[in-house]
Amino acid sequence: AQSVSQHNHHVILSEAASLELGCNYSYGGTVNLFWYVQYPGQHLQLLLKYFSGDPLVKGIKGFEAEFIKSKFSFNLRKPSVQWSDTAEYFCAARSSNTGKLIFGQGTTLQVKP
Amino acid sequence: DGGITQSPKYLFRKEGQNVTLSCEQNLNHDAMYWYRQDPGQGLRLIYYSQIVNDFQKGDIAEGYSVSREKKESFPLTVTSAQKNPTAFYLCASSLIQGNTEAFFGQGTRLTVV
Repeated sequence: AQSVSQHNHHVILSEAASLELGCNYSYGGTVNLFWYVQYPGQHLQLLLKYFSGDPLVKGIKGFEAEFIKSKFSFNLRKPSVQWSDTAEYFCAARSSNTGKLIFGQGTTLQVKP
Repeated sequence: DGGITQSPKYLFRKEGQNVTLSCEQNLNHDAMYWYRQDPGQGLRLIYYSQIVNDFQKGDIAEGYSVSREKKESFPLTVTSAQKNPTAFYLCASSLIQGNTEAFFGQGTRLTVV
């Protein structure tokens, strides 16, 4: 069955700490990968996406993610977090064959000032 | 303004009643999706549609129904068969072709009493 799994459910960091959120997917065929963010009280917005090409993808607000096909992973990273990064982060995968788009369980990031 | 409109923002219904959530988009997107968001469970796919008059079940379709009579509209009916309907419901849309992501509406919070 298709699935997306996020390893960390709740992460607490101090400002300036580095961040890495894990994401693994289980999908047959070609897959498109995404990271979305949901700030408190706001709607989901895209951080970054991977379709093809360079497996290291840069997104908004200093975030990046690396697609490792052999590990079925798409981990999100940021070298130095800020208090304003406090939010919920979702990894998602879409089958390019069926268009089915599914999400992981989400990771709540709390950054302490 | 281009975007996805979900209405209403808050909805209250009595147990045993069917209720329909509206989702309209003016982005000329082919694909539309419905998700349910519960704390700690991320976004779970209810139904999705890639083309008018066609839709597929997602991972938690039981107790829900949809229609796709027009490209811009994808209403979701929460039926009385849905055992735990109180939740936050999100609608999304995307192009099928091209390296594009899904865009989300603001959501509808349904409370069944």
